[in-house]
Amino acid sequence: DTAVSQTPKYLVTQMGNDKSIKCEQNLGHDTMYWYKQDSKKFLKIMFSYNNKELIINETVPNRFSPKSPDKAHLNLHINSLELGDSAVYFCASSPWTREGQETQYFGPGTRLLVL
Amino acid sequence: RKEVEQDPGPFNVPEGATVAFNCTYSNSASQSFFWYRQDCRKEPKLLMSVYSSGNEDGRFTAQLNRASQYISLLIRDSKLSDSATYLCVANKAAGNKLTFGGGTRVLVKP
Repeated sequence: DTAVSQTPKYLVTQMGNDKSIKCEQNLGHDTMYWYKQDSKKFLKIMFSYNNKELIINETVPNRFSPKSPDKAHLNLHINSLELGDSAVYFCASSPWTREGQETQYFGPGTRLLVL
Repeated sequence: RKEVEQDPGPFNVPEGATVAFNCTYSNSASQSFFWYRQDCRKEPKLLMSVYSSGNEDGRFTAQLNRASQYISLLIRDSKLSDSATYLCVANKAAGNKLTFGGGTRVLVKP
């Protein structure tokens, strides 16, 4: 059984389009995350939700809007796609602790290419 | 300056040899540290947490030096399957916000 799953795995689209990436986890975790890994391989956090509540919101253009319908799902909607949005987007989940020492489990990634 | 910095490598390692590499972190508020492993075109996976006293997991040994703000990973008896990118990760106490280094690429060759 896949612990953290993302769809789609690959997404090729034109500049200016709007697209969504879906993420689901079946680990029973309270917290979910979106990360972006650029061409230089740096992995940066974008958002984090704990029990459907936004707790981390890094400096991300407001064209990116996360939505958490329940604690097992965290979707990412991107409006007006730009060339610089091309990257691999990883979803992750973890149990919640104040100390932040819990392992994060990553999904397989969504490779987004904006043409 | 990046919050977490690593030598990108690659470190070319003969099979069976030992390899060690460090990562430095700039935020003294960082509380917990990890090494994640990422294979080519795959997701990162936790390799091991790093404890203040140092810790070992099989062939892997991690050390933390808070005074100098660096973390190290040592791999003994390298296997071909150890070829991967090793990501150094720091976490501040609040919010489970992981800060990743750019990764150190290790290539183990026969």
